[in-house]
Amino acid sequence: DTGVSQDPRHKITKRGQNVTFRCDPISEHNRLYWYRQTLGQGPEFLTYFQNEAQLEKSRLLSDRFSAERPKGSFSTLEIQRTEQGDSAMYLCASSLGSYSNQPQHFGDGTRLSIL
Amino acid sequence: GDSVTQMEGPVTLSEEAFLTINCTYTATGYPSLFWYVQYPGEGLQLLLKATKADDKGSNKGFEATYRKETTSFHLEKGSVQVSDSAVYFCALSETTGGFKTIFGAGTRLFVKA
Repeated sequence: DTGVSQDPRHKITKRGQNVTFRCDPISEHNRLYWYRQTLGQGPEFLTYFQNEAQLEKSRLLSDRFSAERPKGSFSTLEIQRTEQGDSAMYLCASSLGSYSNQPQHFGDGTRLSIL
Repeated sequence: GDSVTQMEGPVTLSEEAFLTINCTYTATGYPSLFWYVQYPGEGLQLLLKATKADDKGSNKGFEATYRKETTSFHLEKGSVQVSDSAVYFCALSETTGGFKTIFGAGTRLFVKA
């Protein structure tokens, strides 16, 4: 179990630029989640995948956000035309199975800073 | 929708003091409940969980009991250590759909030597 890996750890970009983050889940985990965490708050759900299918998206996920999980392995989260309000920590988590009692394993996150 | 409310921090305690962090939830159905911890500079880690009413989760001296009648899942530890300084998040996992996790805002704990 090598844990959930996220890349990059920190991204600094200018407003209006596009950014892409990568998440590598624990290899046998079929579910993958993206969350956003701002200072002083708990993580907020953005979207999740079961295998390669994206099954739910939060209203927080505007049209500028897109996520993929080709082949049900790693996932990418892209933000187009970044805005100041996108500055946050983006967390990826994965879990195994189809039951609510399975805890999610979190990566260390990607911190996005918009200049 | 489902939600989690936990006591605001920061909480500052002396070493060996008793800790309680309150957490209440609203949910449809019977969610699983979790406490996650985030140590300085590290990612979220599962601390303990409980999956049904009256279950007690425990780990590293921390305990929490799933109280359906009061919709609560308070975190307790009998004697805190400096190394327990961290942010603690109460969370629930929805019982339908994607089982996404709903988090509270977090409670920062400082333990003084």
